[in-house]
Order: sequence, then C-alpha cells, then structure tokens
Amino acid sequence: GAGVSQTPSNKVTEKGKYVELRCDPISGHTALYWYRQSLGQGPEFLIYFQGTGAADDSGLPNDRFFAVRPEGSVSTLKIQRTERGDSAVYLCASSLAGSNSPLHFGNGTRLTVT
Amino acid sequence: SQQGEEDPQALSIQEGENATMNCSYKTSINNLQWYRQNSGRGLVHLILIRSNEREKHSGRLRVTLDTSKKSSSLLITASRAADTASYFCATDTGRNTPLVFGKGTRLSVIA
Repeated sequence: GAGVSQTPSNKVTEKGKYVELRCDPISGHTALYWYRQSLGQGPEFLIYFQGTGAADDSGLPNDRFFAVRPEGSVSTLKIQRTERGDSAVYLCASSLAGSNSPLHFGNGTRLTVT
Repeated sequence: SQQGEEDPQALSIQEGENATMNCSYKTSINNLQWYRQNSGRGLVHLILIRSNEREKHSGRLRVTLDTSKKSSSLLITASRAADTASYFCATDTGRNTPLVFGKGTRLSVIA
C-alpha cells in the first residue's frame, strides 16, 4: 500500500519567509510525528500527534514553528520568519499505536533557507 | 535532546563479516527500536524490543537489550554491501511519549 508521503521533496526559501511542509500519513495510522535531521545527525523530535491533538510538542524549537492535523490525517508543519539555521531535512512518520509500534517514515522535505 | 547514543560512530567492514553496533541510553525505557537509513532516504524500521525482552532475531539481525546497563546491541551477520547505511536506535518511555533517536552509526560494508 501507499507509504507516508511528504511534499514538497525540496524547498528553497529566502530568510524571513513563511513555509509549509505537508505530510500524508498511512491511512488508519493515528499517531503522526515530525522530526528534523541535520547532516550526520540523528532525527531530532519536534512534535507528536495522537489523532487531531498534539500529544507532545516539547521538541518545537521556538514559537516560529507550529504544526496542525485538523482531521487526524494530513499534517502541516509551518515555519514563520525562516532563518538559515532552520535548513535541514524535515521527516514525518506515522504509526498505528504510537511508540509501541514501528514508525513508518516518509522520505522527508529538504528545506534550504538562503 | 537525544536519549540514545550509538557506538561506534562509524564502522567499516568487509562483506561477509559481522557488524555490531551498540546503543546506550540514559533513562528507563518502554521500548527500544532500531532503524536503518540509506543516504537521502527516510528511516526504515528494523526491530522493536520491549523492556521485558532480552533478545530478538529477524533474519540476519539480532538485537539484545540489557536494561540493567541501559544498553542494546544490533548484530548484523554475514554482512552485504547492501547493508551500507546509517543505523539508529530509538527509545520511548511510555505509550504516549515520543520516540527519541540517537546520533547513529554509519556502517560501510566493502565488497
């Protein structure tokens, strides 16, 4: 079946601009995660949804970052006033039962802030 | 913040040899998972081991968990060039807690 889909695959934006990154999870998966990965590093946790609500948003670095999942399926990660330090690969994952089950990852969105 | 720490950071072996990667973590866990990532791709789940389990096998993979030492190891037997990737351990501390990843081990298998 279809896996986790992330769009766009690449995004180049200028410093100060607003960006939205989209994640389509596997159908039926209630848990959805956003991670950020810099070169040579492991994925850094950002936010975790169970259904429509954010179960844990402790990884969001500051208030420029926000994520929504209004209908419990597709999620959008929103970054305001982008900074060069926001450049990274943003990974989305979904799972059937939170961290008790395997996470299925998309291929990520590579964000470059110039 | 990252809970797990893999060791070594990088490992280079010949095809056919076994590869062992270790993961240490700081706090008590609920589950520990191992993932693989090929360059430029998303992560792929390998094995999940629960805190009350000590060993699990899947094909050429063997994972052990020692909760008293807060450590886990991933063994890949009879390695192949296609096993070249980064390997990450990840832990959670409960049902509704996020999965937290380590920095990974970069494995190179030379044909």
